[in-house]
Amino acid sequence: GQQLNQSPQSMFIQEGEDVSMNCTSSSIFNTWLWYKQDPGEGPVLLIALYKAGELTSNGRLTAQFGITRKDSFLNISASIPSDVGIYFCALEYGNKLVFGAGTILRVKS
Amino acid sequence: GAVVSQHPSWVICKSGTSVKIECRSLDFQATTMFWYRQFPKQSLMLMATSNEGSKATYEQGVEKDKFLINHASLTLSTLTVTSAHPEDSSFYICSARDRYQYFGPGTRLLVL
Repeated sequence: GQQLNQSPQSMFIQEGEDVSMNCTSSSIFNTWLWYKQDPGEGPVLLIALYKAGELTSNGRLTAQFGITRKDSFLNISASIPSDVGIYFCALEYGNKLVFGAGTILRVKS
Repeated sequence: GAVVSQHPSWVICKSGTSVKIECRSLDFQATTMFWYRQFPKQSLMLMATSNEGSKATYEQGVEKDKFLINHASLTLSTLTVTSAHPEDSSFYICSARDRYQYFGPGTRLLVL
């Protein structure tokens, strides 16, 4: 099956710092999705990307769909304590989603 | 928009009993819903795809007689864990497909 490599596995940063995480896939896909999961909750869709090279923002979050359509980046600017959680990249494969392993974000206030 | 609810949010049951979890799309109709299982500090694992009016499609390794799925309407899918055992204890999350997949808040199951 399709596999996604998501990195870093975890991050521990100071409040106010910018954060960057990325995902790469083994194949070309048409849609990249980024979700955030808070502890004990279901994932929440943050950003959807469906055009190579596309850069999309959602508040302090910015995501980009790589030119090769095999990678994507998520950036969080000026992190705050509520940014804590697990961030997952995901790809649509047929009717299903393939998830990355997740990036655990911990913010030190 | 695109709100998905799950009920119950948590359940504790004795080994050998059956547990039903409901997943509802509140503000849209979903022909397709999905059931996932998640272990601590791991990603989501797709268990099955639930299609309204037809049989669910199960992923490899998932016992369909153990995890019964019913998608009776365009806004409701249910997952029944039959004869639950401690190894079935987990976090179960559903999603419903609108333009994208939108997830419910999850159900934590503890089997004693």
